Amino acid sequence: DIQMTQSPSSLSASVGDRVTITCRASQSISSYLNWYQQKPGKAPKLLIYAASSLQSGVPSRFSGSGSGTDFTLTISSLQPEDFATYYCQQSYSTPFGFGPGTKVDIK
Amino acid sequence: QVQLVQSGAEVKKPGASVKVSCKASGYTFTSYDINWVRQATGQGLEWMGWMNPNSGNTGYAQKFQGRVTMTRNTSISTAYMELSSLRSEDTAVYYCAVAVVVAALRANWFDPWGQGTLVTVSS
Repeated sequence: DIQMTQSPSSLSASVGDRVTITCRASQSISSYLNWYQQKPGKAPKLLIYAASSLQSGVPSRFSGSGSGTDFTLTISSLQPEDFATYYCQQSYSTPFGFGPGTKVDIK
Repeated sequence: QVQLVQSGAEVKKPGASVKVSCKASGYTFTSYDINWVRQATGQGLEWMGWMNPNSGNTGYAQKFQGRVTMTRNTSISTAYMELSSLRSEDTAVYYCAVAVVVAALRANWFDPWGQGTLVTVSS
């Protein structure tokens, strides 16, 4: 099975900050990497698919990059509604595992 | 709009089974796989398996093999996930999600998700 790791596990940031979250796969997954945002009590929401493609309706301050084993989610200017937990997911092969999550909270 | 609506919360005793439903609307139900993901309180997301609503073919995570069954009723555009031999560690919110595949992009992703169903296992 492909293992997914994320760093950091949590971070504190202020509105307007640039935030970067890293995701690493235990083997190459090409660009089969998705990012989801989850707020408390809500279902995950797709932000980025295929490593760098922005899902329709998602603000352009979100961006993704990477291929192979190393990936990054960047929020260029953190907004109040962005405080949430972010998960990466590999969709290269089953089981479609998720990273452990990165919680972004208010500094 | 594309939407998945799940059944309501359940409370079960250890050893029992639970069956969660996921009703799809806004698209052709048989065109996309349904995946199931669960999340224990305060924990991360755990993929359980997939089902092709057209063929009925399924694939399960090793952890759940022998305990989970994913089925569908195409006449009412509804997918089901049944988990048996429940134990306290199965207490979690269970989500269904549409799996979109775009071969030309070498990509597949889950969108949208159902609202989640809380299953509590307690004696």
